[in-house]
Amino acid sequence: DAGVIQSPRHEVTEMGQEVTLRCKPISGHNSLFWYRQTMMRGLELLIYFNNNVPIDDSGMPEDRFSAKMPNASFSTLKIQPSEPRDSAVYFCASSFGLAGNNEQFFGPGTRLTVL
Amino acid sequence: AQSVTQLDSHVSVSEGTPVLLRCNYSSSYSPSLFWYVQHPNKGLQLLLKYTSAATLVKGINGFEAEFKKSETSFHLTKPSAHMSDAAEYFCVVSDEAGNTGKLIFGQGTTLQVKP
Repeated sequence: DAGVIQSPRHEVTEMGQEVTLRCKPISGHNSLFWYRQTMMRGLELLIYFNNNVPIDDSGMPEDRFSAKMPNASFSTLKIQPSEPRDSAVYFCASSFGLAGNNEQFFGPGTRLTVL
Repeated sequence: AQSVTQLDSHVSVSEGTPVLLRCNYSSSYSPSLFWYVQHPNKGLQLLLKYTSAATLVKGINGFEAEFKKSETSFHLTKPSAHMSDAAEYFCVVSDEAGNTGKLIFGQGTTLQVKP
C-alpha cells in the first residue's frame, strides 16, 4: 500500500495567488482529514469528510479556504487568495470510519510558503 | 472539554538511557489516547493507542505507555533510547463527542538523543 499521497510536497507562491493542495487517501478508507501545522499553533484540524461528505469544517480559518472531495480517492484543499500567514505544513490523513479509537494514517505533508 | 498537556517541550537523553515523555489529559469520559511520532520532514505515524483495554500499552519500536486514570496521565516510555528515536512526539486524545473521528493533539515534545 502506498499510504496517503499528497502533492505537491513543497509549494512556494506569492501573496494573492491561488494554491491547491491534493490528497489521495488509502484505498478503502472512507474518512479524510485536513490538518495544518505551524510552530505557533501546532496541529489544527481544518476539515474532515466521511464518505465524501464534509462533516465538520469549523476549523477552516477563513472563507479563503475551501475543500472538496469529489470521490473516494481524491480531495483538494484550496486557498484563494493566499496570504503569508497561510505558510504552514498541511497534512492529509485518512481512516476507516469515525470511531474514536481509529488510527489516522497521515501523508507526508505539503510545505506551503507564501511570500 | 477534553485536552492534552505535554509537560515537556524538549527532552534530551543519551543513547542507551531510558526515555520518559509526559502527557496529562483532561476528559469527562473514558477516552481513547494515542501517541504519534513525527520524524523530520515526515508525516505522523502511530506509535500506540489506548482504548480501555489493558492499561499498559505496547507500541512499535520498543515504546510503551501506561494509562493511569487516577493521575489522568498517559506517559510514554522506552527502556533504552536509540539515535533513530530522535523526533517529535505527540500525545493525542479522541474527541469527547465520540464517533466523530476528531483528534486533539498536544503541543508536542521534541526528543533529542545524544551519542
